Formats: sequence, structure tokens, C-alpha cells
Amino acid sequence: DTAVSQTPKYLVTQMGNDKSIKCEQNLGHDTMYWYKQDSKKFLKIMFSYNNKELIINETVPNRFSPKSPDKAHLNLHINSLELGDSAVYFCASSFSGANVLTFGAGSRLTVL
Amino acid sequence: GENVEQHPSTLSVQEGDSAVIKCTYSDSASNYFPWYKQELGKGPQLIIDIRSNVGEKKDQRIAVTLNKTAKHFSLHITETQPEDSAVYFCAAYLPGGNQFYFGTGTSLTVIP
Repeated sequence: DTAVSQTPKYLVTQMGNDKSIKCEQNLGHDTMYWYKQDSKKFLKIMFSYNNKELIINETVPNRFSPKSPDKAHLNLHINSLELGDSAVYFCASSFSGANVLTFGAGSRLTVL
Repeated sequence: GENVEQHPSTLSVQEGDSAVIKCTYSDSASNYFPWYKQELGKGPQLIIDIRSNVGEKKDQRIAVTLNKTAKHFSLHITETQPEDSAVYFCAAYLPGGNQFYFGTGTSLTVIP
């Protein structure tokens, strides 16, 4: 009954590879997010989608491409991985507006 | 945009003592202030929240206060227990920005 589920939980890959992280929510929320948490624990928003439309696109390299096939899914594809991409990536969802944000368990990406 | 500052970055307390974490925000239009607890290896989880039309909210050992004039809000944990040890994040929701702005986190350690 996981509310926001992300796969994979761990991802270890070489520099230059392309990888994807998937996210699904079963809460009926209309807005989904990707956050990056670095080694200092800072939570930085990357993207936000509302009803499959991109509404927030922070200053993220264009190697990162989100895709939302429907409002319950938001996937993150990363091309040409770099060492600095190593982090924990969190998917989250909410109803639009000032409403509770529910996070997934995170996907730890390690780039070697 | 919004700027949320959080202090202290680390906090150690003896079991049974109280812990207080403080946050300030910059944009008076922010109207929703959640607090999240992140345990090791997990995603942030909402523990309490407060809206801008309320000054204080309590839930058992946890309370949050909001001072809109001074633009600051605080998390109070009483009778701390070892299981309260975690990283705590404050956040502010800015309607114009359609997103949550997070503080930099406080690592709380409760010493048995």
C-alpha cells in the first residue's frame, strides 16, 4: 500500500551512462515532484508536474529529462551521468496548492 | 522567490529534555508551513504543519508556533526520546511560486 513508490532504491553506474528512475503514486494527487538531496542533506527541487504538465523546471542540466505519462507517474531520465549527479533523488506528490507533500523512500544514485 | 533559513544545523539533547528548531522565511505571501522528519535511509515524513491563519498547533509531544509578523516559525519537541533522533526540515509554501521551499535541515540527536 505504498503511497509514493520509486524504483530502483539503489543505482550504481559508470560515468557517461544513461539511467532512469521511476515514480508512481496511488494517492490521487495531481502534482508530482522530483527533489535532489545531496551529501549535506539539502533538499533541492528539480521539477514539478501538474496533471502531466511541467510547471517547475529549476536550473537543472538538460541531461535530466522528466516524463509524466499520466498524473500518477513521473519518471526521471538522466543522460551522460557525471560524478556530481551522485545523490539521493526523491519523488513526491501532493494536491496542487498548499497541501501536504508526500515523499517516496528515495533512490540513491552513485556514479563511479 | 522564497528563502527559508533553519537553525541550528545540529542539536544534541538529553533524553527527556525539550528540543526547539527555528526557521525564518522571507516572503510574507507564504501561507503553509510543514515540518518533516527524515530518518536514516528513508524519505522525509510530515510530522506537523501549520497554516498562516493559525498561531500555534500541538500534537502530543510536538508543537509548532508561527509568528507572521516576524516571519518565523518553530518546532518544539517535549520529553524527547531516542527515536526522535533524525533530520528535521521546515518548509514554506509560496502560492505564487507553486512550490515548497525547504530549510537546510537540523540533525537532532537524543542522548539516552
